[in-house]
Amino acid sequence: EAQVTQNPRYLITVTGKKLTVTCSQNMNHEYMSWYRQDPGLGLRQIYYSMNVEVTDKGDVPEGYKVSRKEKRNFPLILESPSPNQTSLYFCASSLLGQEEPQHFGDGTRLSIL
Amino acid sequence: AQKITQTQPGMFVQEKEAVTLDCTYDTSDPSYGLFWYKQPSSGEMIFLIYQGSYDQQNATEGRYSLNFQKARKSANLVISASQLGDSAMYFCAMRERIQGAQKLVFGQGTRLTINP
Repeated sequence: EAQVTQNPRYLITVTGKKLTVTCSQNMNHEYMSWYRQDPGLGLRQIYYSMNVEVTDKGDVPEGYKVSRKEKRNFPLILESPSPNQTSLYFCASSLLGQEEPQHFGDGTRLSIL
Repeated sequence: AQKITQTQPGMFVQEKEAVTLDCTYDTSDPSYGLFWYKQPSSGEMIFLIYQGSYDQQNATEGRYSLNFQKARKSANLVISASQLGDSAMYFCAMRERIQGAQKLVFGQGTRLTINP
């Protein structure tokens, strides 16, 4: 089944404790992206990647890191999480064409205490 | 400045009525794509419909259609004959090319509630 898989689905952690949210897709998509969703703000793009070893900042990259060592994986790293990074996070992938819709994972609800 | 604006935080509609969800956008790129997604209370994001900036016709997908007015920079989603299952958050999004890169921007969303 074609899908984008994120893990974990839920995480409660403390300020400053490094964490990684994994994202994997099995559709051979070139484009992968991370978003955070906050009430009243919609989804905001954190980072995206158009190919292996190519990553670019989205609109809210501060406090996050990503890597794209393999085409299928695009982990999101919070080196020193802070409470303002408490949010719902989505990973998505697509082909590169402008008309291609994003395929979303099920989301990761992250709480930083 | 907001690149995508959805001015209706919430809408309440009677079942079987048609509903229009507003979306305006701002870009200087002549080539862009516009998308609508649905997010039910379960949280997943579901792609509904796409409109390209060069498309001459308004996009349609079943009960969904897109009222695309390029000069006004608006891309409103029309849902015909609404159903209870249409109750959800709806997001408008734009994919634009910036110096060879592709960025996606989403609006704030509209929460649609269908009343029986």
